[in-house]
Amino acid sequence: GQQLNQSPQSMFIQEGEDVSMNCTSSSIFNTWLWYKQDPGEGPVLLIALYKAGELTSNGRLTAQFGITRKDSFLNISASIPSDVGIYFCAGQLDSSNTGKLIFGQGTTLQVKP
Amino acid sequence: DAMVIQNPRYQVTQFGKPVTLSCSQTLNHNVMYWYQQKSSQAPKLLFHYYDKDFNNEADTPDNFQSRRPNTSFCFLDIRSPGLGDAAMYLCATSRGGFNYGYTFGSGTRLTVV
Repeated sequence: GQQLNQSPQSMFIQEGEDVSMNCTSSSIFNTWLWYKQDPGEGPVLLIALYKAGELTSNGRLTAQFGITRKDSFLNISASIPSDVGIYFCAGQLDSSNTGKLIFGQGTTLQVKP
Repeated sequence: DAMVIQNPRYQVTQFGKPVTLSCSQTLNHNVMYWYQQKSSQAPKLLFHYYDKDFNNEADTPDNFQSRRPNTSFCFLDIRSPGLGDAAMYLCATSRGGFNYGYTFGSGTRLTVV
């Protein structure tokens, strides 16, 4: 089945540093989504990408939909302690009505004040 | 505020005792999904409804069932919970198609004793 390979698996950084994480796949996706999940909570959508090559920002977050439609990255600039959590990429390759999501394995981010 | 609400947030059940988790939405979205998430893993899709049409993932155990009596509500029934079913269960909704992200609930943490 389709898989998303997300890396790195975990990161431990100093407050103020920039962070970069990415997802790759052997399959072509129509949509890439980036979510953040805090402990004991559901994932919250950070950025949605709908077109190949699209670069989108949301505050200190920037994400890009790869031109081949098989990859995406998420950058966080000037990290702060509340950035701590698990970041998931997710892709939609089903163009039928249901838009089923496939998730990457997640990147656990820890920020040292 | 429009949202996806899961009840209860925490559920403890006995081994083999049927349990039902509930999800409601005020977004009027067509599609409702149930995901299982085990510790430090990506969410895994169990099944979804597009309106009243039920779609089961091939590897979802028969022990898991779902009901969607109307647009707003969806239930996850675990007929005979085992220790391996202890997990976070996430409900999500979307309009369907590949141009819309998911909205997740806060999840129900299931413990099996």
